Amino acid sequence: EAQVTQNPRYLITVTGKKLTVTCSQNMNHEYMSWYRQDPGLGLRQIYYSMNVEVTDKGDVPEGYKVSRKEKRNFPLILESPSPNQTSLYFCASSLLGPQETQYFGPGTRLLVL
Amino acid sequence: DQQVKQNSPSLSVQEGRISILNCDYTNSMFDYFLWYKKYPAEGPTFLISISSIKDKNEDGRFTVFLNKSAKHLSLHIVPSQPGDSAVYFCAASAYETSGSRLTFGEGTQLTVNP
Repeated sequence: EAQVTQNPRYLITVTGKKLTVTCSQNMNHEYMSWYRQDPGLGLRQIYYSMNVEVTDKGDVPEGYKVSRKEKRNFPLILESPSPNQTSLYFCASSLLGPQETQYFGPGTRLLVL
Repeated sequence: DQQVKQNSPSLSVQEGRISILNCDYTNSMFDYFLWYKKYPAEGPTFLISISSIKDKNEDGRFTVFLNKSAKHLSLHIVPSQPGDSAVYFCAASAYETSGSRLTFGEGTQLTVNP
């Protein structure tokens, strides 16, 4: 089954404790992206990647890191989480870019205390 | 600044009637627009898209209209069904000026009443 998977689905952590949210797709897509969803703000793009070893900032990259060492995986790293990073996070992928259908993962709900 | 705005946080319509969801944008370099639908506890799913060289795109019950001079697009759903109840996000990209970024609006919660 073609899908985007994220882990964990739910996470409670404390300020400053590094964490990684994994994202994996099995569709051989070139483009992958991370978004956060917040009430009243919609979805905002954090980082995206056009291909292996090619990543770029979205609209809200501060406090986040990403890496793309393999085509299928695109982890999101919070080196020192803060309460303002409490949010619902979505990973997505598409064949070549954002103008094509993006397939989203189920989301990761993060609470930073 | 919010470059893509959905000014109506919510919309309620009767089953069988038309639903019209609106989206405005400020960046004249946007050249491609998409609509995504999101159910609770799920990731968004693609619905329909339109290139800036067109002013209308239709897919079954869903039609997207683009008015470039007004920097406005709308999604029409006819007839509306209770299963259409979801949050709808419009999104825009501007490949030449912002690479492969995608900018979303705030979303509109559509409720279709039986």
